[in-house]
Amino acid sequence: GQQLNQSPQSMFIQEGEDVSMNCTSSSIFNTWLWYKQEPGEGPVLLIALYKAGELTSNGRLTAQFGITRKDSFLNISASIPSDVGIYFCAGWANFGNEKLTFGTGTRLTIIP
Amino acid sequence: GAVVSQHPSRVICKSGTSVKIECRSLDFQATTMFWYRQFPKQSLMLMATSNEGSKATYEQGVEKDKFLINHASLTLSTLTVTSAHPEDSSFYICSAHPAGGWAYEQYFGPGTRLTVT
Repeated sequence: GQQLNQSPQSMFIQEGEDVSMNCTSSSIFNTWLWYKQEPGEGPVLLIALYKAGELTSNGRLTAQFGITRKDSFLNISASIPSDVGIYFCAGWANFGNEKLTFGTGTRLTIIP
Repeated sequence: GAVVSQHPSRVICKSGTSVKIECRSLDFQATTMFWYRQFPKQSLMLMATSNEGSKATYEQGVEKDKFLINHASLTLSTLTVTSAHPEDSSFYICSAHPAGGWAYEQYFGPGTRLTVT
C-alpha cells in the first residue's frame, strides 16, 4: 500500500536540542496528523492539521500543513528524554477512500 | 476517555494453528474499527476496515480467508489469524473510530505481538 515519505529516518540528538522532521506525499490530503509511538504500544495522536498553510502548536510541538497539501512538518523544541520514540505522520483523504495513510516514521533518540 | 484495549498483548503459537485477537473500545462506541500490521522498524500498514454488523473490507494483498475479521458489536472487533505461519509474526494494532467523531478520528490499541514458531 501507499506510504508517505518521512525524513529523516532517524535522529540522534542531545537533550535540549530542537528537532525537525517532515513528511511528503505524491497525492493531496484533507487532514494531516502526527502520531508518536513508543515501543510495544500503539500510536498516540499529537497534532491534527485541517487546512493548507495551517500552523498548530501543542506545547513544545509545532506542526504545519503544507500549502500544496502534499507535505507537513513537525518541530519539537527543547527536547527532553521522554520525547524518545517513533514519530509518524499520517494523511487522511476523504475522496472515496477514507483511511489513514501512514508515513515511514522518524525514530528519535536522545543522547544523554 | 477514548481508550482501546487489545487482548492478548503477546501470543506465541505454533505454525498451522489459529490465533484470535480482540479489540475493544472501553468507553465509547465504535462504528468502524481498523486492523493494522506493523513489521519491525516499519510503518503501520492497514489490513482491513470493519463496520459493525457488516463484512470487513480488506486492503489489496491481504487474504480475507486467512485474516478473519468479525465486528459483532459497537465495542468489539476480533481478528483471527488462521493457519498461522512464521511470516505472519508481526505486531497487530487495531484502532477504533468513535460514533459521531471526526472522519479521521481513530484511537489506537496497544497492539498484540504475534510470534509463530
